[in-house]
This record gives sequence, C-alpha cells and structure tokens, in this order.
Amino acid sequence: DAGITQSPRYKITETGRQVTLMCHQTWSHSYMFWYRQDLGHGLRLIYYSAAADITDKGEVPDGYVVSRSKTENFPLTLESATRSQTSVYFCASSDRTATNYGYTFGSGTRLTVV
Amino acid sequence: DAKTTQPPSMDCAEGRAANLPCNHSTISGNEYVYWYRQIHSQGPQYIIHGLKNNETNEMASLIITEDRKSSTLILPHATLRDTAVYYCIVRSSSFSSSNTGKLIFGQGTTLQVKP
Repeated sequence: DAGITQSPRYKITETGRQVTLMCHQTWSHSYMFWYRQDLGHGLRLIYYSAAADITDKGEVPDGYVVSRSKTENFPLTLESATRSQTSVYFCASSDRTATNYGYTFGSGTRLTVV
Repeated sequence: DAKTTQPPSMDCAEGRAANLPCNHSTISGNEYVYWYRQIHSQGPQYIIHGLKNNETNEMASLIITEDRKSSTLILPHATLRDTAVYYCIVRSSSFSSSNTGKLIFGQGTTLQVKP
C-alpha cells in the first residue's frame, strides 16, 4: 500500500532495553522526520534526514539514534529506554520538489517504558 | 523560523464557519504560513499553506494580512469531525544546508465543534 507506515503501533518495553521503531514510506520522499508527542508538550522534533545516509538532530535528540541506509526507511532506536521516553512517536516524510512542501505523517507508535 | 501565537482553545457551532487566528509578527519574507490539524490520537494532517496571497482548497481558506503578521484559517462549514488541535506554523520553504524547512510545532488551538 502506498503511504507512510509505522510499526509497531503499540509497544511496551522495560527500562534499559533497546527498542527500535520502524518507519517506511513508499513515495521515495527525500526528507523524513521523527517526532515525539507527550501530554502538555505538543510535538517535538527528535531527528530528521535529508536523504539516505544524511541525518541531523532536532529539538530533543538525546537518548535516540537514527539511521537511513535506504531512502524509504528511517528507523528510530532507543538504545537504553527510560521511563521519560514513554510517548507517542510520529514519523513524517516530505518531498523537496512537492509544490506544498507539506509533511505526511504516519499513524504513530505508542511506546510505554515500564 | 518565526514563532507563532494561537489561542489555546475555541468553540464553534456545527455548520457555522470556524475562524482560527494566528499571530506571527516576526515572519520574514521567505517564510510561509502552514496549517496542520491533529485529530485525537492520529498523526497531524496538512491543511493549507500560503505566502502572502489568500489561499483556498477543498478543506479550508487561509487569509493572510497584508503585512503578513497574522493569518486566519477558515473552515467554512464546521462539522463535528473538525474537532481537533490546529497548528499554525511558520517556516521557510527552502531546503538549504542550514535550513531544512523543519516543522516546529507549538501548542496549537483546540477547536471544539458543538452540535
């Protein structure tokens, strides 16, 4: 199916464990983004990527690692999960050539760290 | 990118026009005004964007003042399904080495459409 998909939709993990959230888009968009959303904080940018093998930090990158070996995938890894990383995570993509430069967001991954 | 100011919440009667204001007094010449909305538990959805002219699409209209320091998103006939958080974001449309045109979200306006 065309679009942007995130997996898993829900994840519960223990403190200290490594967990990877997946994001896949079918449009070959150049740009991809990871946001987290907490109650009372709105959406905050974690990391973004301008193309394969090009990534950069956003507003709240600490505790996260990203990679982008292929244009269509942009996984987000929590190397040692903490309770403060309990959140809803959204992935987005954007095509620099699109007339509106709009972002398309995935449905989100709800992560709980216990 | 310039900051925006929006009221935290608004109500609107179903079937009436919803007018959501946004102040962006520090907007610069190459920055666009974007509007997104987020319906409960879903990912944000693009609505509309503009530079200096008024814009209209199938979802909404965007009115930008002549000095570009403020704008209004208009939902012409609000329905219960328009209940959501609406975000006004200002950003450059250019993807340069120093500015990827990142979307930075504020707190938005929670619009409650009532029957």
